[in-house]
Amino acid sequence: EAGVAQSPRYKIIEKRQSVAFWCNPISGHATLYWYQQILGQGPKLLIQFQNNGVVDDSQLPKDRFSAERLKGVDSTLKIQPAKLEDSAVYLCASRWREEYSGELFFGEGSRLTVL
Amino acid sequence: SQQGEEDPQALSIQEGENATMNCSYKTSINNLQWYRQNSGRGLVHLILIRSNEREKHSGRLRVTLDTSKKSSSLLITASRAADTASYFCATDPRRALTFGSGTRLQVQP
Repeated sequence: EAGVAQSPRYKIIEKRQSVAFWCNPISGHATLYWYQQILGQGPKLLIQFQNNGVVDDSQLPKDRFSAERLKGVDSTLKIQPAKLEDSAVYLCASRWREEYSGELFFGEGSRLTVL
Repeated sequence: SQQGEEDPQALSIQEGENATMNCSYKTSINNLQWYRQNSGRGLVHLILIRSNEREKHSGRLRVTLDTSKKSSSLLITASRAADTASYFCATDPRRALTFGSGTRLQVQP
């Protein structure tokens, strides 16, 4: 089966510019996550979707970050305006369903550099 | 703060040696998972151990879980250069997995 697809793989922008990342989870996976991974650290959850509804966005900096999953399939994460500290890898992951406490499947990530 | 913390932060061994990484966590869990991340890549699931299990094996991997001490260990036996990666433990105190800061393993050929 196809894995979690993410694009773009790399993005370089100036501070205060905007950027958007796209994720297509594994077919049939109801739960989708966006994680932020700063160099040398573990992934930190930004937002969790169950189908097209938000389950947890408590750690999402809502003044500059937004995410949507309109049709319950693919998802977009946007940053506007970007700050230097947003330089990180943005990982998308999916799981069959929230109640199934099994493994997460990760995409390759989108590496953002803010200059 | 992170739910899980791995120890050591970095580990360098020779090919053929065993590598042991430890993970401590803070709250009660349903299960604990270990993931591997090669440089510049996404995370890959290695093994899951449930809270009512004490030990689990998968190929060259052995995971133990001590819920009384809120700790887990991952043992990789007969390591290979291809095992060079970062290893993360992850727990599910809430709805989403929470990851530690990882152990960076370097296996010298």
